[in-house]
Amino acid sequence: EDKVVQSPLSLVVHEGDTVTLNCSYEVTNFRSLLWYKQEKKAPTFLFMLTSSGIEKKSGRLSSILDKKELFSILNITATQTGDSAVYLCAVSMDSNYQLIWGAGTKLIIKP
Amino acid sequence: DSGVTQTPKHLITATGQRVTLRCSPRSGDLSVYWYQQSLDQGLQFLIQYYNGEERAKGNILERFSAQQFPDLHSELNLSSLELGDSALYFCASSARGADTNTQYFGPGTRLTVL
Repeated sequence: EDKVVQSPLSLVVHEGDTVTLNCSYEVTNFRSLLWYKQEKKAPTFLFMLTSSGIEKKSGRLSSILDKKELFSILNITATQTGDSAVYLCAVSMDSNYQLIWGAGTKLIIKP
Repeated sequence: DSGVTQTPKHLITATGQRVTLRCSPRSGDLSVYWYQQSLDQGLQFLIQYYNGEERAKGNILERFSAQQFPDLHSELNLSSLELGDSALYFCASSARGADTNTQYFGPGTRLTVL
């Protein structure tokens, strides 16, 4: 069965800390891995990763994929209270256009 | 703004009733996906349409149905509503071409069944 597992499920840190969120997957015919951020509204797209070892970066957020070990990490440096959200990981496969979603990591940044 | 629009934003109705949620994808996107998200729960994939045809089904109840019209907008019909159907319903769309897996989400419709 195809699955995506995120860890931790929740995380509380203080402003300025660096956090690392994990996403591991077991799917057939992997195509890409996507990260989304969801605050109290719709998920917003952050990154799409298709190749191992190539870091995607946007401001204080960065992500990397390891296709050999079947996981990805999302790093957030110098966290701010506005980073508080649920971070969702999803994986797509060559066989269809659906995304297999993880349960998300709820990140709380304390001032 | 993702470019995906959904109406209405909020909907309050009673058990047993029927409602229709509407979604307009981003310009040029052929795929539309519907998701249900209950309070503090993950995204549950319901159904996908591609260029007017049903492409994939997820955990969609028989009381729910959807369609995609020639102009590519989509509607999700929920009937015989139950209290447990109260949730956020998201529509997402994705492009045709290399970047077909990135889904862009609409703002959602919050359905409350009383």
